[in-house]
Amino acid sequence: AQSVTQLDSQVPVFEEAPVELRCNYSSSVSVYLFWYVQYPNQGLQLLLKYLSGSTLVKGINGFEAEFNKSQTSFHLRKPSVHISDTAEYFCAVSVVGGGFKTIFGAGTRLFVKA
Amino acid sequence: DSGVTQTPKHLITATGQRVTLRCSPRSGDLSVYWYQQSLDQGLQFLIQYYNGEERAKGNILERFSAQQFPDLHSELNLSSLELGDSALYFCASSAMGVGPLYGYTFGSGTRLTVV
Repeated sequence: AQSVTQLDSQVPVFEEAPVELRCNYSSSVSVYLFWYVQYPNQGLQLLLKYLSGSTLVKGINGFEAEFNKSQTSFHLRKPSVHISDTAEYFCAVSVVGGGFKTIFGAGTRLFVKA
Repeated sequence: DSGVTQTPKHLITATGQRVTLRCSPRSGDLSVYWYQQSLDQGLQFLIQYYNGEERAKGNILERFSAQQFPDLHSELNLSSLELGDSALYFCASSAMGVGPLYGYTFGSGTRLTVV
């Protein structure tokens, strides 16, 4: 069975600083990987996804993530954050070919300070 | 607006009661997924329907049931409610029947409070 571990429950960062939110996954088969963002009192919104091909994936709002198969990681990065990026971020994994469900990590709360 | 509509947004009810949560998927999406989000359990997959048929079950209690109707809207029924059932319930939809290849589209959720 697959699992997802988000290594930080909270990440405080100053505005305009870079940020990395870490995600490791465990699976014996190939996976699809996703990052979602949840703003207060809203549902989750897809930020980006890795299906195949280039290991560097660009998403919305200036975020990008890099798939590292050897380290089974899919870390999310942004070179310069804004106050409006304050939200909860979820890493998720779906199994290739057998996935009718997606497993979500516990979430990382990004708090951007002025 | 994501295109996935959930009603009601908030629901307060007493222990032992039964409630129904409703979800209309994004236009064209045949799959509906239900998730429960709580502080201690995180985001837990409950159940999936595809074009009216149940496709997968996750950590769904026997007191909970769901169905998807011919017009593709779905309802999640929660009965014999307990305090621990208080949570955010999300519905998501996707275009794919088996596996959310392109990611889910989530609704804004129903916040259930059991008192």
